[in-house]
Amino acid sequence: DIQMTQSPSSLSASVGDRVTITCQASQDISNYLNWYQQKPGKAPKLLIYDASNLETGVPSRFSGSGSGTDFTFTISSLQPEDIATYYCQQYDNPSITFGQGTRLEIK
Amino acid sequence: EVQLVESGGGLVKPGGSLRLSCAASGFTFSSYSMNWVRQAPGKGLEWVSSISSSSSYIYYADSVKGRFTISRDNAKNSLYLQMNSLRAEDTAVYYCARDTGGLWGQGTLVTVSS
Repeated sequence: DIQMTQSPSSLSASVGDRVTITCQASQDISNYLNWYQQKPGKAPKLLIYDASNLETGVPSRFSGSGSGTDFTFTISSLQPEDIATYYCQQYDNPSITFGQGTRLEIK
Repeated sequence: EVQLVESGGGLVKPGGSLRLSCAASGFTFSSYSMNWVRQAPGKGLEWVSSISSSSSYIYYADSVKGRFTISRDNAKNSLYLQMNSLRAEDTAVYYCARDTGGLWGQGTLVTVSS
């Protein structure tokens, strides 16, 4: 099975800061990677698909990059409503796997 | 409206069974593979099972293999998860999700406890 290593596990940043989360796959997954935002009590919301494509309706401050085994998710200017937990997810393999999650807090 | 709605969760004793359903609407259900994903209280997301659009391909996480069965009825636009031999560690919110993850239901809580 493909393992996804996401870091950091938690992050504290100020409004307006640039925030970066990374995800590393245990083997080449091409660009078969999603990034999700999850708020408490809610289902995950897809933000980025195919590693770098912004889902319709998602603010442009969110972006993704990478291919192969190394991926990056960025919020260019953190907003208060971005407080959530973020997950990467690979779908190259029939068995989908998620990163461990990154809890983002406001400093 | 494009949506997925799960049902069937509840409290069950260890060793018991439960059947979850996911009703799809607003899109051509029969064209998409479907997944079950779960989230234990305070924990991360864990993929449980996937089924292809025509049910030809089915996959399970090792943690549920032999105990859970995924199925679908394209005529009824519905996805199912039959859960047998339930354990305390199966306690979680169970989500159905379309294809690679662009659409999720709101989740249904399964609690396994005596």
